[in-house]
Amino acid sequence: GQQLNQSPQSMFIQEGEDVSMNCTSSSIFNTWLWYKQDPGEGPVLLIALYKAGELTSNGRLTAQFGITRKDSFLNISASIPSDVGIYFCAGADTGTASKLTFGTGTRLQVTL
Amino acid sequence: AAGVIQSPRHLIKEKRETATLKCYPIPRHDTVYWYQQGPGQDPQFLISFYEKMQSDKGSIPDRFSAQQFSDYHSELNMSSLELGDSALYFCASSSPSGTQYFGPGTRLLVL
Repeated sequence: GQQLNQSPQSMFIQEGEDVSMNCTSSSIFNTWLWYKQDPGEGPVLLIALYKAGELTSNGRLTAQFGITRKDSFLNISASIPSDVGIYFCAGADTGTASKLTFGTGTRLQVTL
Repeated sequence: AAGVIQSPRHLIKEKRETATLKCYPIPRHDTVYWYQQGPGQDPQFLISFYEKMQSDKGSIPDRFSAQQFSDYHSELNMSSLELGDSALYFCASSSPSGTQYFGPGTRLLVL
């Protein structure tokens, strides 16, 4: 089956630092999404990417859909304590209405 | 803005019992998805429905069944519960060409 590998698995950063995480797949996806999940809560959509090569920003977040359609990265600039959580990438095969395959997650911890 | 509603939020059952989880999608969303997330794991797709018909099926055990009703809400029925069924169960909804938005989840504990 499809697998999405996310790295790093976890990271500790200081407030104000920039963060970068990426996701790679063994197969092509037509849509990439990035979600943030707090403990015991549902994933919250951060950014959706629909075209290969697309670069999209949402406030301090920037994400790109890799040109090969097999990877994506998420950058967070000037991190703040509320950025703490688990970040998941997710890929969809045939458009956003299809099932999502999630990455393994990146746990982010921000220290003051 | 209205979000996906799931009930109950927490559920405790014993082995071999049954459980029913409910999901109310965002208004005007006609597609619902169910995911299971074990401790420390990423969400795994179970099943989805579009316009009350099953549209895709993932790693859903035969002991589980689901349906979508005329008002677009969905129910996940789980029978003969096992200890390994303890997990967070998420419902997500989308319009046919839209992005999936997740509910807050139901935490199921099987004792």
